[in-house]
Formats: sequence, structure tokens, C-alpha cells
Amino acid sequence: AQSVSQHNHHVILSEAASLELGCNYSYGGTVNLFWYVQYPGQHLQLLLKYFSGDPLVKGIKGFEAEFIKSKFSFNLRKPSVQWSDTAEYFCAAPATGNTGKLIFGQGTTLQVKP
Amino acid sequence: DAGVTQSPTHLIKTRGQQVTLRCSPKSGHDTVSWYQQALGQGPQFIFQYYEEEERQRGNFPDRFSGHQFPNYSSELNVNALLLGDSALYLCASSLATRAIGETQYFGPGTRLLVL
Repeated sequence: AQSVSQHNHHVILSEAASLELGCNYSYGGTVNLFWYVQYPGQHLQLLLKYFSGDPLVKGIKGFEAEFIKSKFSFNLRKPSVQWSDTAEYFCAAPATGNTGKLIFGQGTTLQVKP
Repeated sequence: DAGVTQSPTHLIKTRGQQVTLRCSPKSGHDTVSWYQQALGQGPQFIFQYYEEEERQRGNFPDRFSGHQFPNYSSELNVNALLLGDSALYLCASSLATRAIGETQYFGPGTRLLVL
């Protein structure tokens, strides 16, 4: 079955540290990938998405992600985190042949210490 | 421009009861998807509604049903509630879902507690 997996379940960083959150997907073919973020007390919102073209995707708030087809990966990065980046991060992909269903990873909780 | 709204925000029910959750999509969107997010997990797809019909369904029992109205708003109904139905229920709206990669916009969710 298709799956999206996130390697890190809980990450703790100090402000100004660099961030990389792993995401792997299990299938080939046409791939679209998303990173969503859920700040404390807020709803899920889109950080960035890969649809096609340049595999390095830039999103909001200084986040970026790189699609590496050979590694089935779509890791999220930020050079210097801030306390306000404390949130839960989800990687997601549409199910193959099923445009309506998003498959989510189990999420990574990021805690940034001031 | 109003985003996705959901009601109620919180709900407490007992086992065996029935519940109805409501969702209004983002302005201009015609498709609504429902997800269940258990504590510590990513959202799990329940089903999607488009043109007032269920288009896609995830691995959820028939106790979970839904409806979409002509104004594109939607309801999620859960019958014969079980303790395991306790979760955050998320509604997401989108446009032109035939386009792969169409972004889904999420509402704040309804937190359901089944006692």
C-alpha cells in the first residue's frame, strides 16, 4: 500500500539552528508532494508543494524542500529556525489514481527553544 | 475571503450515540474532503464530496456517512459511536479536484470525545 513516512517524530532545536525533517514516499510514477504545518491552536496550513519542474521548492516563512526522485524523498529544510516555528509538520501526497485522497505521514513535532 | 469553517469546535458524546459535524468550504471551492486525526497521528482520509456525491472513500466503515449541499457545504455523520471515534475531524476544501496536486485547504477541525 502507498505510504508516506516521516523519520523524526519529535525534534528539539535551539533558535538559529538549521532544520531538516525527513519525508519518504513509497511509490513511483507521477508524484506530487506537500508539506503542511499546524501551529499550536491553529489549523493545518500549506507550507509548500511540489507539482513538477524545479525539484527545489520554496515555501512560506523561509522553508524549502527538495524532491529527490531516486531516493523517494521530499525533505523539509530551513537554515535558521525561530521560536515561532514550533509546530507540528506533516508531509503528504495524493494517492495514486485517486486525486481526492491525501496520504499523510504521522507528523513531526518541532520544538524550538528560545 | 472566508476560509474553511467547521462547527462545532468541540463535542462530547457517549458510546452508541450519533453525531453530525458541519463544514463550509472556502469561498469558490466546490469539493469537500473529510479526515480523521487521532492524537499523535497524521490525518486519515474518510471521504470526499463533489457535486453532491461521494467521489472517493477511505478505509472507514459505513457508520461514517456524509452529505454535500447545493451550496457546497458538507456534513459528516457518524452513527453508533465507539470510544475509538474520539479524534479531531478535519474538513478540507479544494477546487477542480480532477487536477492532481490541487491544494486542499483545511478548517480548524471539530474535536470529538466519545465517553
